[in-house]
Amino acid sequence: DQQVKQNSPSLSVQEGRISILNCDYTNSMFDYFLWYKKYPAEGPTFLISISSIKDKNEDGRFTVFLNKSAKHLSLHIVPSQPGDSAVYFCAASKQTGANNLFFGTGTRLTVIP
Amino acid sequence: KAGVTQTPRYLIKTRGQQVTLSCSPISGHRSVSWYQQTPGQGLQFLFEYFSETQRNKGNFPGRFSGRQFSNSRSEMNVSTLELGDSALYLCASSPLGRASEHEQYFGPGTRLTVT
Repeated sequence: DQQVKQNSPSLSVQEGRISILNCDYTNSMFDYFLWYKKYPAEGPTFLISISSIKDKNEDGRFTVFLNKSAKHLSLHIVPSQPGDSAVYFCAASKQTGANNLFFGTGTRLTVIP
Repeated sequence: KAGVTQTPRYLIKTRGQQVTLSCSPISGHRSVSWYQQTPGQGLQFLFEYFSETQRNKGNFPGRFSGRQFSNSRSEMNVSTLELGDSALYLCASSPLGRASEHEQYFGPGTRLTVT
């Protein structure tokens, strides 16, 4: 049972434009959400996170928005750069003190120069 | 600071064999988690070790096991390999502290192919 879903397997965006990656979750016990970026032959790299007590977190070109009532979060990348081309995973965690992240299946972002 | 290292990077095994994968976390990190990545399934949590104790376990059969040593290095073992065990196995470590304990730092993974 996939508790974190990324329904778009791929996304193509022109360089300089905004990339919006979406993620939905089903478990209301999740209290922390993260985005990871993965290049081929490398492990996922932590990008940005947000606690459930916030609705927005910004870090440079990356902003994550959380809508708890809709159980939806999104990652905005502005402006998009060719180096952002990678697979992006959304992940969620419960307030259990144990480190297990529930991952989505990923969205492959391609930024076209 | 050195990142998470995993050995070996690539492995080919035959059905029925067993395999042991190794992970060295970032220095100072005491939590080590293991994930399996397969196409279409994303990353699925296997188990987490903290201070040599398994703290949490995902929904995988008992053929998958692990352990952690006093220096925080971890190993995972898969016995009686099946074709479906072919995957990228990722190890991740986390620092202490509630604010950042969810932020996991991944190694490059071990690509296991079962033939």
